[in-house]
Formats: sequence, structure tokens, C-alpha cells
Amino acid sequence: DTGVSQDPRHKITKRGQNVTFRCDPISEHNRLYWYRQTLGQGPEFLTYFQNEAQLEKSRLLSDRFSAERPKGSFSTLEIQRTEQGDSAMYLCASSLALRVTGELFFGEGSRLTVL
Amino acid sequence: DQQVKQNSPSLSVQEGRISILNCDYTNSMFDYFLWYKKYPAEGPTFLISISSIKDKNEDGRFTVFLNKSAKHLSLHIVPSQPGDSAVYFCAARANTGNQFYFGTGTSLTVIP
Repeated sequence: DTGVSQDPRHKITKRGQNVTFRCDPISEHNRLYWYRQTLGQGPEFLTYFQNEAQLEKSRLLSDRFSAERPKGSFSTLEIQRTEQGDSAMYLCASSLALRVTGELFFGEGSRLTVL
Repeated sequence: DQQVKQNSPSLSVQEGRISILNCDYTNSMFDYFLWYKKYPAEGPTFLISISSIKDKNEDGRFTVFLNKSAKHLSLHIVPSQPGDSAVYFCAARANTGNQFYFGTGTSLTVIP
């Protein structure tokens, strides 16, 4: 399978704990995005990387959130001191910047439940 | 601030008939519009797109229409099939090429 993969698929944690999600994009894609989706809403942009550089961050990305893409391949999204409001599906997507449309290819998501 | 809006949360259509899903946007700087399809427990899958310089794009049973003056686009599925039952998200790309804005989705049910 050469699609976008995310790990773990599900995470249940207690409030105040730290969690980390990993995303492996399609290998030739140089752009990587993180989105968050809550029930009844569409995906909301969090941040994106071009290669290893984090070029844009949403104001939704509070100081408790940090994302990295150290070698321009896989990415991690860490949430520190989780809150119940962080419960959501975290979606990773990748794209090839050179494509005119640059459509995003999504992974299956990592569902976070904060108790 | 919801820049892309899908005002119909759900739609039911008989198999073989046309499904029309609608989307409105507010930002005139969007340069590409896309439709994604999402099944439960899966990530969204790209379906079809249209450039802001066109008014129609067709791919098999799927056609997207863009009305720039009304800031409105629609997805037509003809004929509808039960396998089309899913949530459909409209998305728009900012002309900086970096961000994609999604609507809240329309859940389509195709009744056999």
C-alpha cells in the first residue's frame, strides 16, 4: 500500500497526558498537511510542511501542539497536556507541489479521545 | 469564519436518479475547487476538481459546475448508485496554493 498511513488509528488518553501521532506520506510527495475534524464539521487546517520546513500554522494550533517533519519524509504531531476539547480525528494529507491542482491525498486518520 | 459552506447536511436520492450537491464560498481569491468523498472510518478521497477559470468539469458520472458570479459550485452524480452513499465535502484552495478550506459535508444516501 503506497498511500498515506497514520499511526495510531485510535488513541484514548486521560486529560493532561501527552500524545503523539505519526504520518507517513506518499513517498514522492513533498507537501504534508495536518487537519483536524470534529463531529459534523469538515476538516480544519492545522499546519503544513513543504519538505522539512513548516511553512504555515493555523491559529487553531495552540502552544500545546507541535508538529515536525525532520527529514522531509514522515511527520509527527504532538499534543501536550491534552484537554477534552482536543478529542477529534486528526487527518494527515500529502500532495505534490508541482501538480497544478495539488489535490490532497488523505490518510485514514488518528482518532483521539480525551477522557 | 466558514469560507466554504454546504448548507444541506443530508440528501437522499433514488438509485439511477441524479444527485446534486451544492456548495457556496465567500472568498473570491480561491483558485481551485475540489470535491472529496468520505466513507465512515476512512479519510476523505479526492473525487473531482475544477479550476476557477472553467465553469464545468466532467469525469464519468461526476460533473462539477462552477458559477463564479454567484460563488457557487455543485456536484452532479448521474446516475446515482448505492455505492455513492457517503459524505461529500466541498473544498477550495486559496490562490497562495497552501491552504484548503473544507465545507461541513453533505451526507448522500442512494436508495436502491
